[in-house]
Amino acid sequence: QVQLQESGPGLVKPPETLSLKCTVSGGSISSGGYSWGWIRQSPGEGLESIGYISSSTVTYYHPSLKSRVAISLDRSKNQFSLKLTSSTAADTAMYYCVRVDVGPYTPHFDSWGRGTPVTVSS
Amino acid sequence: QSVLTQPPSVSGPPGQRVTISCTGSSSNIGAYADVHWYQQIPGTAPKLLIFGNNNRPSGVPDRFSGSKSGTSASLAITGLQAEDEAYYYCQSYDYSLNVVIFGGGTKLTVL
Repeated sequence: QVQLQESGPGLVKPPETLSLKCTVSGGSISSGGYSWGWIRQSPGEGLESIGYISSSTVTYYHPSLKSRVAISLDRSKNQFSLKLTSSTAADTAMYYCVRVDVGPYTPHFDSWGRGTPVTVSS
Repeated sequence: QSVLTQPPSVSGPPGQRVTISCTGSSSNIGAYADVHWYQQIPGTAPKLLIFGNNNRPSGVPDRFSGSKSGTSASLAITGLQAEDEAYYYCQSYDYSLNVVIFGGGTKLTVL
């Protein structure tokens, strides 16, 4: 059973870049059939899909974040990463890394990390 | 404001059947986008409960079922148990906005 674990700073100063990593165990990020992504949850905005990346590095980003976000793979470490530039207080949220099933149904998230809280504040 | 609309709360006594609605539009559920459901116990990550409108991942009890009709979908929970008390979110895809969308979530209280 695949497991995901987020890591990264819990406090980011605006307008620095928010950077998180997700370590995957029990499965390879290089195997096909799944993409790997990030979801955030804040009290005011609910759940929001930030974006995801396929094993062949095709990316999908939320239109409202597209200009600031980058998701990448590190196959040697079986990890994937999130970078969100020009951070503001509005980026304060719990961040989850997820496995994305992009199979016959519309994309959905079948495995989740435990989440990591990130606060953007000076 | 979420693109998918859910009631803020539902409740029922143990053993009862409850349903949670998820209302979309002609650019998402009405355009044949699949609906998925997640359960989130406070303090934990969401967990996939139903995918592809009415399919349960391995390990999810058959007390949970999903359905879809027109621009809406529903999650039904039968034989309500105390452990079902949680938040439930629907999720789909909007073809006009080109974005994954979530409902605002429904808090289920077992009385």
